[in-house]
Amino acid sequence: GAVVSQHPSRVICKSGTSVKIECRSLDFQATTMFWYRQFPKQSLMLMATSNEGSKATYEQGVEKDKFLINHASLTLSTLTVTSAHPEDSSFYICSSQRWGSGDQPQHFGDGTRLSIL
Amino acid sequence: AQTVTQSQPEMSVQEAETVTLSCTYDTSESDYYLFWYKQPPSRQMILVIRQEAYKQQNATENRFSVNFQKAAKSFSLKISDSQLGDAAMYFCAFISNFGNEKLTFGTGTRLTIIP
Repeated sequence: GAVVSQHPSRVICKSGTSVKIECRSLDFQATTMFWYRQFPKQSLMLMATSNEGSKATYEQGVEKDKFLINHASLTLSTLTVTSAHPEDSSFYICSSQRWGSGDQPQHFGDGTRLSIL
Repeated sequence: AQTVTQSQPEMSVQEAETVTLSCTYDTSESDYYLFWYKQPPSRQMILVIRQEAYKQQNATENRFSVNFQKAAKSFSLKISDSQLGDAAMYFCAFISNFGNEKLTFGTGTRLTIIP
């Protein structure tokens, strides 16, 4: 069964809308979760590292005010795309990993396809 | 910083034949892990195989095996008896056993299976 649940799988909304994407770790407590963005025919680009109980760490070039991340519990991280515009349309994927377990692969959600009209 | 390079944007193989996907990486660390992920059209990320850097023996998972050359920093994936369901994007990935444990992905190889 799924280890990480990501919801919703598909979102279509108007420009200016804020969109929240949820990522739930089902089988274990995840102190660290990751958010990726993937453009068509490209690799996954890490946006930010979400740490339970503390602020997320954003990668260079990612706007923290545009992409709000909250990791309030050990099983849930959320990504909110604020005031979304067409250029924010993309495929967003989350993953979870136990801290200090580099040998455990990151467990990925099924992704969210975001389309901004 | 680590880098992962996949020099083959696209590959194709006849069904039931064998294909090898290339991956090289660059790191100054000695303790790390390497992965191959498969992303089919559904866009799920599926772990295919994992290799610990401290293990000399190449990992094998059924029809999938790797050729891990630590000195050459090479980590190729061999798919034997290719099946139609193997068609996907394949990503090579690196993670350090120290530090913040971020996965570094290659640019991917699109594998087509010819019936």
